[in-house]
Amino acid sequence: DAGVIQSPRHEVTEMGQEVTLRCKPISGHDYLFWYRQTMMRGLELLIYFNNNVPIDDSGMPEDRFSAKMPNASFSTLKIQPSEPRDSAVYFCASSETEVPPKGNNEQFFGPGTRLTVL
Amino acid sequence: GQNIDQPTEMTATEGAIVQINCTYQTSGFNGLFWYQQHAGEAPTFLSYNVLDGLEEKGRFSSFLSRSKGYSYLLLKELQMKDSASYLCAVISGTYKYIFGTGTRLKVLA
Repeated sequence: DAGVIQSPRHEVTEMGQEVTLRCKPISGHDYLFWYRQTMMRGLELLIYFNNNVPIDDSGMPEDRFSAKMPNASFSTLKIQPSEPRDSAVYFCASSETEVPPKGNNEQFFGPGTRLTVL
Repeated sequence: GQNIDQPTEMTATEGAIVQINCTYQTSGFNGLFWYQQHAGEAPTFLSYNVLDGLEEKGRFSSFLSRSKGYSYLLLKELQMKDSASYLCAVISGTYKYIFGTGTRLKVLA
């Protein structure tokens, strides 16, 4: 398996532009997670899906952020309009199960998208 | 509030043993993870604890005490490649995933 695939790997954009980040989870994984990582705040969970349905989006910072999962093999995270404070590395992760006792809940992370908003 | 505390940085010598501590305060508890993250790379899974006690996996062990809200990651026979950040993460009672800001470990020759 190729693992979790994210695109683009790097994105540089100007304030006010729309940004779309893409993720392909590992085939057969029912859970998909979007994270944001910055030096100041560490790794923060933004939203996660189970079987393509959003379960918890309480980490989404504001209405400028939206996420979709139209099918089991694809998800997007959109920022519109983007702001300089959105600059961060955005990770997508997938796992087979969510919580015990069904499994060990290992999440497999993609390589991340480094977003810079000027 | 919900909080996870880890030391920001630690330094140790190749071949030594190091213990990275993590304390947490969350609304309920459904498990604790440790992840390793090398600079510029994605986090990778190290361990998962949901019951009290020690889980051993090769050179790495993870301990959990739920009553104390405390965990540690023990790394033995340190190697240069163990230089990385180590992230402690907790699943709260409402299945929220909360990560600490990580401990940067530097292994010196």
